[in-house]
Amino acid sequence: NAGVTQTPKFRVLKTGQSMTLLCAQDMNHEYMYWYRQDPGMGLRLIHYSVGEGTTAKGEVPDGYNVSRLKKQNFLLGLESAAPSQTSVYFCASRGFGYNEQFFGPGTRLTVL
Amino acid sequence: GNSVTQMEGPVTLSEEAFLTINCTYTATGYPSLFWYVQYPGEGLQLLLKATKADDKGSNKGFEATYRKETTSFHLEKGSVQVSDSAVYFCALSPYNAGNMLTFGGGTRLMVKP
Repeated sequence: NAGVTQTPKFRVLKTGQSMTLLCAQDMNHEYMYWYRQDPGMGLRLIHYSVGEGTTAKGEVPDGYNVSRLKKQNFLLGLESAAPSQTSVYFCASRGFGYNEQFFGPGTRLTVL
Repeated sequence: GNSVTQMEGPVTLSEEAFLTINCTYTATGYPSLFWYVQYPGEGLQLLLKATKADDKGSNKGFEATYRKETTSFHLEKGSVQVSDSAVYFCALSPYNAGNMLTFGGGTRLMVKP
């Protein structure tokens, strides 16, 4: 099993550009999450999903959109990137009835 | 709301030294508590967890005890190794709200030979 994978690993954007980050998991997990990690602030939840076709806002959802069209994939979109969105983005998944989340390796995004 | 407070780092120790990283939390009810570890360039991995008061989580020589009376979940290891150098995150998941993990700010540990 590959676990949780994320594409791309690195990306540099200019202000105003758009992009989509892809998260995939092969553990048949119901729950999926997107976090951002900033120095000294730990991880903060952006959006999450409790199942295929459902999404919900987390702590810091502004400027991001998500979609969960397939159970194994969770996409994070930035429609108009801003320098404040420079961060490391982590995806995670969790199986129903379990409280451990499994994390992907992260995507480092720089917005100039 | 829920929150997690960790001691600020970096923590620098010599190999075989004793490690304590403090973690305190604020939450209603009986949350589950976790320690995650992030090695350089990698994602987070679950190190240990405890789901009720007085439980002790342990893994790879690390231990933490869920202390409800002091709302704490301090991480300890008796003898650290260079390979333990990483960032450690304390986190909580509220009871019956398993979707949400609230993280502390992380503590960087550097172990010197």
